[in-house]
Amino acid sequence: DADVTQTPRNRITKTGKRIMLECSQTKGHDRMYWYRQDPGLGLRLIYYSFDVKDINKGEISDGYSVSRQAQAKFSLSLESAIPNQTALYFCATSDLSLETQYFGPGTRLLVL
Amino acid sequence: EDQVTQSPEALRLQEGESSSLNCSYTVSGLRGLFWYRQDPGKGPEFLFTLYSAGEEKEKERLKATLTKKESFLHITAPKPEDSATYLCAVQARGNQFYFGTGTSLTVIP
Repeated sequence: DADVTQTPRNRITKTGKRIMLECSQTKGHDRMYWYRQDPGLGLRLIYYSFDVKDINKGEISDGYSVSRQAQAKFSLSLESAIPNQTALYFCATSDLSLETQYFGPGTRLLVL
Repeated sequence: EDQVTQSPEALRLQEGESSSLNCSYTVSGLRGLFWYRQDPGKGPEFLFTLYSAGEEKEKERLKATLTKKESFLHITAPKPEDSATYLCAVQARGNQFYFGTGTSLTVIP
């Protein structure tokens, strides 16, 4: 079984809809991250969490919110989706001591 | 401003033809530099972490090096299965990670 899972893997939605992307991990890591990847722009950090009670904004948090429901679960919400949020979204985890990030398989989101 | 730049954007090599990928960075308080491999449709896969200038890490045909301003990923005698996008990332003071846009490597049999 994969250590970091993301659901759904693909999603098509319409402008203005609220959607949630979910991430679960079995690595036992405290730190979790959400990134988006766009062609030519690379991976950009949206939010990160160092434990259940610690949530931090990343480089591009506007239009997004997150929830850390448990050590193993970190969800990303788009409150009112817009077309320029069409992207590939990745969840990642890291160990407190090593800082190496382990990525999930990604969610491909299309906002029409 | 913290920034990571990778070059070239794309690289085509013949099988066995060695080369290097570059990652230059400007960051306040470098805590670590990371190399990842990403295959199409998949998440990045960790390769190396480098923490200080002069450090080197090796894994099979790959070798990563670090100076105060840049890192190189050397690929020796590449094989077609080394074809992928290679991403560089830095962790800055404040714990944020910044990624480059990657180098797309194609190794031709």
